Amino acid sequence: GAVVSQHPSRVICKSGTSVKIECRSLDFQATTMFWYRQFPKQSLMLMATSNEGSKATYEQGVEKDKFLINHASLTLSTLTVASAHPEDSSFYICSGAGTMNTEAFFGQGTRLTVV
Amino acid sequence: GENVEQHPSTLSVQEGDSAVIKCTYSDSASNYFPWYKQELGKGPQLIIDIRSNVGEKKDQRIAVTLNKTAKHFSLHITETQPEDSAVYFCAVGETSYDKVIFGPGTSLSVIP
Repeated sequence: GAVVSQHPSRVICKSGTSVKIECRSLDFQATTMFWYRQFPKQSLMLMATSNEGSKATYEQGVEKDKFLINHASLTLSTLTVASAHPEDSSFYICSGAGTMNTEAFFGQGTRLTVV
Repeated sequence: GENVEQHPSTLSVQEGDSAVIKCTYSDSASNYFPWYKQELGKGPQLIIDIRSNVGEKKDQRIAVTLNKTAKHFSLHITETQPEDSAVYFCAVGETSYDKVIFGPGTSLSVIP
């Protein structure tokens, strides 16, 4: 199947700094990228949906000024956690879908730890 | 919005036995029902999915059944093996290339 490559797999940052997570669709064009967050021992919760070239749509309760999503190309979407705090520590996962795909493909996830 | 429930939250079976996990959903507009396996520290891996025009689908030891009228679907794993131990999530979406809403997950342990 198609591949979504997500980097980094793990990141530790100091409180107050910003962290960027990248998701690349390697063998298809991801017209839509979904970003999920998963806290320990919990399920995946959708944070936002981004379509290439458009502003992202955020789910209720997700701060758009804190979780900045860029989807400027059909093969790359980024999530920047601005001024991260310990409560932002979580597992972030992207999922990409293209017009020619029959399903959305998940990245490997990024474990963010804010200290 | 869509509400997805999943039971049981934990399941322990002996190696070789079968495991069944059930999910219910609320939105009748949903048409896509995937199941994901998640191992520790990794992203979810699609193991099987079913669409609303099909009642049952099987792939080797894994099968999924769907009752769209009752709004529930189930994952069946036969001849379980220790490597089947993981957290399993059901999910619900309108299409296979749309966002999905995840169930709360089931932690499956297969005892050798």
